[in-house]
Amino acid sequence: GAVVSQHPSWVICKSGTSVKIECRSLDFQATTMFWYRQFPKQSLMLMATSNEGSKATYEQGVEKDKFLINHASLTLSTLTVTSAHPEDSSFYICSASQGSGGADTQYFGPGTRLTVL
Amino acid sequence: GDSVTQMEGPVTLSEEAFLTINCTYTATGYPSLFWYVQYPGEGLQLLLKATKADDKGSNKGFEATYRKETTSFHLEKGSVQVSDSAVYFCALYQAGTALIFGKGTTLSVSS
Repeated sequence: GAVVSQHPSWVICKSGTSVKIECRSLDFQATTMFWYRQFPKQSLMLMATSNEGSKATYEQGVEKDKFLINHASLTLSTLTVTSAHPEDSSFYICSASQGSGGADTQYFGPGTRLTVL
Repeated sequence: GDSVTQMEGPVTLSEEAFLTINCTYTATGYPSLFWYVQYPGEGLQLLLKATKADDKGSNKGFEATYRKETTSFHLEKGSVQVSDSAVYFCALYQAGTALIFGKGTTLSVSS
């Protein structure tokens, strides 16, 4: 089946530093990738949608300059949390889709836990 | 806006017990409904889905029926196994919008 990996699986950083999270589709080409954020005991919230070679589309309330998304190839998308602060600590999950990104075509990565000290 | 509410966990059961995880939704229009499962250390996987009222989704012994009159999509399994221990997410989707997830329900099954 379609596999999506994320790296790292967890990361701890100091306040003010930047952190990059990678999302890879291992056995298929992903025309669309999604980034979600999940707080403890909360739902997954969509942060942004990215199509290969295009600028990402951010959901309302998500700071574009803080959460930089790059989808440079059909198998790799990156999320960079710039100047991270403790309130950015969360679980970040990506998903990838071969098609139009309808719900049942999304394949999810295992997530990355970010802790900002 | 659209939303999904699912029962809080954790749910703790003995092997072979009957499972129900409640899920209700609020939506304009006619959404598709989904259950996802996340096993420890893995990504969310689509477990089952239903696209219209009265549809029943089923997979791996799990089933859920799309009830428009009660705006519900409860997940059931007649006899759970230890290997079913995971986090279960109810979600809805309408074309042109994002997937909307519930908060997730942790299921622990002991032998």
